[in-house]
Amino acid sequence: DGGITQSPKYLFRKEGQNVTLSCEQNLNHDAMYWYRQDPGQGLRLIYYSQIVNDFQKGDIAEGYSVSREKKESFPLTVTSAQKNPTAFYLCASSMVRGSYNEQFFGPGTRLTVL
Amino acid sequence: EDKVVQSPLSLVVHEGDTVTLNCSYEVTNFRSLLWYKQEKKAPTFLFMLTSSGIEKKSGRLSSILDKKELFSILNITATQTGDSAVYLCAVYNNNDMRFGAGTRLTVKP
Repeated sequence: DGGITQSPKYLFRKEGQNVTLSCEQNLNHDAMYWYRQDPGQGLRLIYYSQIVNDFQKGDIAEGYSVSREKKESFPLTVTSAQKNPTAFYLCASSMVRGSYNEQFFGPGTRLTVL
Repeated sequence: EDKVVQSPLSLVVHEGDTVTLNCSYEVTNFRSLLWYKQEKKAPTFLFMLTSSGIEKKSGRLSSILDKKELFSILNITATQTGDSAVYLCAVYNNNDMRFGAGTRLTVKP
């Protein structure tokens, strides 16, 4: 089945630890995105990538890092520099063609820092 | 600064009511506006709008865009308890998608 997957579903980490969230898609989409969602708030863009080996910061990139070595994969690392990492993280992907940009979302990873 | 504002933030109605959700935006290089429904986890796509005045319809849901006044509305008629969710509006420019805070809709039996 075509789709976008994220793992793990739930993640706990201790303060001071880096942690990497996985995002994989087999939709042959060029663009991939990472969002953070806090309670009662909309999605805020962390990083996005329009093409392999290239990515740009979103609105809240501080304390996060990404890589895009393969078209299918866009892992997000939450570093110890991120002050408030507890949140729900959503990965998305889309084709990049003209004005059409429906994003398909993964199921999300809920990260809790203890 | 680009922004997307949704209203109301929350709404409680009874089954059978009709609701209208609002989304206004200020975004440079506007390309399209999208509506998503988010229940427990990932948002699911509802509509994408690129042209003014053309209504998109899917069952009891419909949406329209006004590019002159920079807003969109999402209508849900004959609401059901299964419509309870957060409805997200997002606007796409050349580079990325900017989301509103969402409207939490609760439909009571």
